[in-house]
Amino acid sequence: AQKVTQAQTEISVVEKEDVTLDCVYETRDTTYYLFWYKQPPSGELVFLIRRNSFDEQNEISGRYSWNFQKSTSSFNFTITASQVVDSAVYFCALGLGNTDKLIFGTGTRLQVFP
Amino acid sequence: DAGVTQSPTHLIKTRGQQVTLRCSPKSGHDTVSWYQQALGQGPQFIFQYYEEEERQRGNFPDRFSGHQFPNYSSELNVNALLLGDSALYLCASSPGSYNEQFFGPGTRLTVL
Repeated sequence: AQKVTQAQTEISVVEKEDVTLDCVYETRDTTYYLFWYKQPPSGELVFLIRRNSFDEQNEISGRYSWNFQKSTSSFNFTITASQVVDSAVYFCALGLGNTDKLIFGTGTRLQVFP
Repeated sequence: DAGVTQSPTHLIKTRGQQVTLRCSPKSGHDTVSWYQQALGQGPQFIFQYYEEEERQRGNFPDRFSGHQFPNYSSELNVNALLLGDSALYLCASSPGSYNEQFFGPGTRLTVL
């Protein structure tokens, strides 16, 4: 079975703190894709990153970084020096190699206080 | 360059009625997927359209149907509405298969 688990329902931090959002996935497929999306209060899902199963290199984009570890089936997302504008619900999603269907986790609500 | 657009923004219906939601994909995208997002949950895949045909389908009943037009825009139809159909309906488009999907702002459907 394919599944995405985001165990953290809600996280609250104060501005400038670093925060890590956890994502654990399950699949028996060898070819798959992992995604992170941000959903602000407006409702629109904003694409952040896509990673394929053959590329375990970590990635950094500004204050955002992602840690992909196949050994633990995890794809964690870290925001460095968080800002109020980072407040949103963040979703991790799994896409399988033979389908465009995305399987989403239940999301983590991040609240950044000034 | 306009992103994915959806209409209407909000909709209120009563049980048993039928509803049609509309989606225009991002320019250059030919594949449209529909998702249902219940309150506090992650989006659930309904189905995907490519070349005017349903290519994949999630675990949703036949009351949910769709259509894709030659200009790649798409409609989602839901018949015999139930209270449980109340959700945010998201449309996503992509340029072909296995590419990142870009989402629209969604249509919030409330069934009374």
